[in-house]
This record gives sequence, structure tokens and C-alpha cells, in this order.
Amino acid sequence: EVVMTQSPATLSVSPGERATLSCRASHSVNSNLAWYQQKPGQAPRLLIYAASMRATGISARFIGSGSGTEFTLTISSLQSEDFAVYYCQQYNNWPPSYTFGQGTKLEIK
Amino acid sequence: EVQLVETGGGLVQPGGSLRLSCAASGLTVSSNYMSWVRQAPGKGLEWVSIIHAGSGGTTFYAESVKGRFTISRDDSKNTLYLQMNSLRAEDTAVYYCARSGTGFDPWGQGTLVTVSS
Repeated sequence: EVVMTQSPATLSVSPGERATLSCRASHSVNSNLAWYQQKPGQAPRLLIYAASMRATGISARFIGSGSGTEFTLTISSLQSEDFAVYYCQQYNNWPPSYTFGQGTKLEIK
Repeated sequence: EVQLVETGGGLVQPGGSLRLSCAASGLTVSSNYMSWVRQAPGKGLEWVSIIHAGSGGTTFYAESVKGRFTISRDDSKNTLYLQMNSLRAEDTAVYYCARSGTGFDPWGQGTLVTVSS
């Protein structure tokens, strides 16, 4: 089973600054990596798929990068609505495997 | 607009059963890979099960629920289901359905399942 590890657990950043979130896979997942944003009381929202492709309607301030075992989500010019929990997920359709990382809480500094 | 609406959650005793439903609009359940994902209170996301598109509808499960949960769909109702048997306290969570592929999108709003005596 592929284990996904996110760091840091909590990230404190000031509005207007840039945030960099990391996700590491225990085995290569190629580019089969997605990022989600979740706000309290809400369902997760897909931000990035295929490691670097923005989902429909997602701001260009969200940039995904990486491949293999190391991935990064960069959020530029942080706005108040960006403070949330972010999860990475590897997806492998065969054999089916859809492991999530434990999440990074992005909080206002 | 694509929308997924989960129902069926509630309080159930350990060892009991519950069936969750996920009604879809704006997408055809049978033509998509569909998953259930759960989130225990204050915890992260855990993939639970997936059903593949097409007439075969191959199913897969996380080890934590294999043999106890069954995913299915009713094409005539365009609805996804999760039958949960032999429930345990550790199954307590919000259960989400989501279209699955290169990322999970969209998600329903979730339904809370509480397993407690």
C-alpha cells in the first residue's frame, strides 16, 4: 500500500504571502496525484489532478508540481478564503488504490 | 449542474446495519466510477469503496471494510448505495460519495453515521 505523508501538519502564513505544502509518497505514483481543499463543515473540493492540472474553476494562484514521490502545492498571494485544510491523494485505478495524506492545516499568521 | 446528495446516515448500535444512498443529478452514475469516502470526527479522509462504470460494475473495498460493506447502484434511480453491516465504533464518520477518476469530483455534502450503544 502506498503511504502518503504531508508536511507540515500546520502552516502559519500571513495573507498576501505564499504557502508551500508538501506531499511525499512511499512509492512512485507517477503523476497520479490530486490535491483537495476542505473548509470546516464542508466536503472536500478538488483543486489539482494529475499533479499539476487545475480543476475547473480553480484560481491560477494554486499551482501543483512534482512527480514520482515528491509533490508540492503552492498557493500564491494568500487570501482569507484559502485558509483551510489541504489533502493530497494518490490514485491508481489498477489495482484500485486511493490513499490520502493526513492533511496540512493552513492557518492565518 | 452536477449534484450528489447523500442520505441514510444516523445512529446505530454496534453490530447493526445501515444503508446509505447517494442520489445523482447532472451525471449518470452507471457511466462513471463512483466512490465512498469517509471522515471520522476531527480526522482525515479515508477511501472506502469504488464501483466501476459499465454493466459489470466491478467493485473494490478498503481492507478496513472488506466483507462488511457492499457498494452498489440502481441505474434506474441513478443512485449509488453503500450497505454497511457489522458496524463498529470505528466506522463512525461522515460518509461522502464522489465521482472518481483523475481525482474525486464532485463530492456530496456527506451524511453522518454514528455507531454507539
